[in-house]
Amino acid sequence: RKEVEQDPGPFNVPEGATVAFNCTYSNSASQSFFWYRQDCRKEPKLLMSVYSSGNEDGRFTAQLNRASQYISLLIRDSKLSDSATYLCAVTPPNDYKLSFGAGTTVTVRA
Amino acid sequence: SAVISQKPSRDICQRGTSLTIQCQVDSQVTMMFWYRQQPGQSLTLIATANQGSEATYESGFVIDKFPISRPNLTFSTLTVSNMSPEDSSIYLCSVAWPFSGTDTQYFGPGTRLTVL
Repeated sequence: RKEVEQDPGPFNVPEGATVAFNCTYSNSASQSFFWYRQDCRKEPKLLMSVYSSGNEDGRFTAQLNRASQYISLLIRDSKLSDSATYLCAVTPPNDYKLSFGAGTTVTVRA
Repeated sequence: SAVISQKPSRDICQRGTSLTIQCQVDSQVTMMFWYRQQPGQSLTLIATANQGSEATYESGFVIDKFPISRPNLTFSTLTVSNMSPEDSSIYLCSVAWPFSGTDTQYFGPGTRLTVL
């Protein structure tokens, strides 16, 4: 089983729609969780860290479910500019190395 | 965050040759990492670049193939040695300040390598 798994998509949604997707991780003792956004041929950029209590940043909401070992990302009121690949990343306990999922591709259409 | 630059941004190399990639940060950072992203794949950690000591390599990566230097807290190099077409990939450095209260990593712009 891979350390971090994501639904690759693609998720094709119209502007204004809500899209949500999950990322599962295999190590129950994983320490930190992140969502990165990667545009084509660019480096990953941090979208948000994911906290135990869940967190929201504008139209983006991230949740952590430790019992079921997954994190989620929800995008409300999708914009064309949200089209990208979203990577989840996880660190093991007492370490700072990132393990990445394969990414979820989101395409927002006009 | 910090400003992270990588050189070269891209290169096309012949098999059997070596390429050294530089990563420069505009401030001192605690940790630096090197990742590889093969075409259509996600990122895979190659090694942690340790300042003043040998890098810590992940399973499947060895020092002879990917020698790494980190002479100070703002600079690191990754060499891809004796290249083959399978080494065609994007190589990214990342930095973190885990003792500043966050373990978030920030990535450089990447080096796109094509091996013929």
